[in-house]
Amino acid sequence: EVQLVESGGGLVQPGGSLRLSCAASGFSFSSYAMSWVRQAPGKGLEWVSAISGSGASTYHADSVRGRFTISRDNSKNTLYLQMNSLRAEDAAVYYCAKGAGYRNDYSDYWGQGTLVTVSS
Amino acid sequence: DIQMTQSPSSLSASVGDRVTITCRASQGISNYLAWYQQKPGKVPKLLMYAASTLQSGVPSRFSGSGSGTDFTLTISSLQPEDVATYYCQKYTSAPLTFGGGTKVEIK
Repeated sequence: EVQLVESGGGLVQPGGSLRLSCAASGFSFSSYAMSWVRQAPGKGLEWVSAISGSGASTYHADSVRGRFTISRDNSKNTLYLQMNSLRAEDAAVYYCAKGAGYRNDYSDYWGQGTLVTVSS
Repeated sequence: DIQMTQSPSSLSASVGDRVTITCRASQGISNYLAWYQQKPGKVPKLLMYAASTLQSGVPSRFSGSGSGTDFTLTISSLQPEDVATYYCQKYTSAPLTFGGGTKVEIK
């Protein structure tokens, strides 16, 4: 059974940093691309970042490029999102999602999400 | 970047009605389109990929069509458990943009 468990969310001040983690199990982690998708309160889904199975290729939305970095540790079956220079508009539930393939792909499994609040 | 536009943004229909949601890409994306369902307070769930391929376990009343720039998600007979917001997503290449969502309610 595929399981994705996010952690690391919380309250951070504007300009601060946070690192989200997503522990994956139930599938061959290194064989699949992974993504982070966020959802601000009462808003729609926004794709944030994606990474290929090997980690060699990474992609970020314009809204976070230069501030967020996606990475993975295939030896630990864990996905990360390093978030720096956080802004109020980054406040959202952040979902970890498994890609259906090795590179850019739709997401066939989603975690439960972790809430990031940006406020002073 | 390719933009994804859904319409309508919300709709209200009766149980048993046929419901159609449209997703339009600003440039052609072949059939690299997925649909997701997000019930209130829940995690998004994959409904369909490759524009018209039903994900395992999804009821057959859901169907998808389209290619290029225009796509539709159809619920052939709306059920109470279909109350949700539906999102399209293109996955030709990054950014893997979502549409704005369509909220479906029961009249």
